[in-house]
Formats: sequence, C-alpha cells, structure tokens
Amino acid sequence: EVKLVESGGGLVQPGRFLKLSCAASGFSFNDYWMGWVRQAPGKGLEWIGEVNQGNSTRNYNPSLKEKFTISRDNAQNTLYLQMTNLRSEDTAIYYCARARVLGYGSFFDYWGQGVMVTVSS
Amino acid sequence: DVQITQSPSLLSASVGDRVTLSCKASRYIYNNLAWYQQKLGEAPKLLIYNTVSFQPGIPSRFSGSGSGTDYTLAISSLQPEDVATYFCLTYYSGNTFGPGTKLELK
Repeated sequence: EVKLVESGGGLVQPGRFLKLSCAASGFSFNDYWMGWVRQAPGKGLEWIGEVNQGNSTRNYNPSLKEKFTISRDNAQNTLYLQMTNLRSEDTAIYYCARARVLGYGSFFDYWGQGVMVTVSS
Repeated sequence: DVQITQSPSLLSASVGDRVTLSCKASRYIYNNLAWYQQKLGEAPKLLIYNTVSFQPGIPSRFSGSGSGTDYTLAISSLQPEDVATYFCLTYYSGNTFGPGTKLELK
C-alpha cells in the first residue's frame, strides 16, 4: 500500500523559514518523481512543484518559484519542502504526492493526508 | 500557462441522477487532463487521468471524456458517497488545477 506521511507543520511567524518532510512507504520511492501541492483554507488546489528520481531536476510553479525548494533523500525514502520568508498567504494544508509521468507532463496519483502550516504572529 | 475553468461551481443533484461536470482549458491540452475527488477534510483522490483512463478501484459509474479544450467528468448514477468537490488538472505545459465543482445532494 502506498503511504505518504507529511510532518513538520505548525504555527510559524511571518518572515520565518520552515521545512516539511514526507515519509514514503509501500512503493519503490526512487522510481518516481515526487511533488507538493497546497490548499489554503476553503480554497482550491495549487501545484507547487516536483522533483525527479535523482534529485537533479525540479519543476516549480512559476508564480511560487522563489519561495520553495523541493528535495529528496532516496536513502531515507523522504521528500522535503523548504519554505522561506513565510507570509500569511502561505497558510495552507501542504500535501505530498507521488507523480506519474505521462505524455507531456506528470500528474499526482497518490497523496498524503496533508500537514497544516499557519503563518501568524 | 494554460488557464482552467470549471462549471458549474456548485451542482445540486439527487441520488440516481446522471451528472456532468465541465472543465475548459484556455488552449488545446491534448487529453493531458486528470480528475480528482476531494471529500470534506480529506486529501484529493485521483479518479481519472489522460482524460479517460481509470485509476484502479474507482467505481465504473465515473467516466471521463473530451478533447481539445473541453473535458467532462460524468457520474452515471449519483450516490451519497459522491458528495465532494471535484477538481480537474491539466499537465500539459505545466500543471494547473481548475477551481473546482462542489457537488451536493438535492
């Protein structure tokens, strides 16, 4: 069974840095692209970005690129999301997801339950 | 980037109804489209990818169709457990989610 478990969320002050983790199990982690999506309270889904199997290629949402860094540790079956200069509009649930590459791009087929990040003083 | 619109934003229907949800892209996306179901308080769940292909375990009452810029998710006979918000995603030329259609029981 594919399982993705996010951690590292919580309350953070504006302007600070936060790093989320996603522990993967139930599949061969280093065979898949992985990525992140966020959802502000009561809002829709926003694609953040993805990283390839070898941690060498990243694709980001152009409107968010300067805020986020995605990385992975294949030895630990773990995906990371680094967020900088956090603002109130970054308050959201952050989902880790496994990507399937097909055709011109990739989509997420399995998702974690998400972790809440609240940016407030 | 491709822009995505979904209609309607809210749909009320009765158990047993056939319902159709629409997703429209700002340009051709060549069937690079997926549909997700998100129930309240849960993570999104993949239903369909590549416009028509089923994710394993998805009930056969769900189906996808479309081409070019216009795509549809249909539920042949609405069940109470189908109450959710449905998002489409294009993965052609970047990844963009639609704003969603909230499906409720009448």
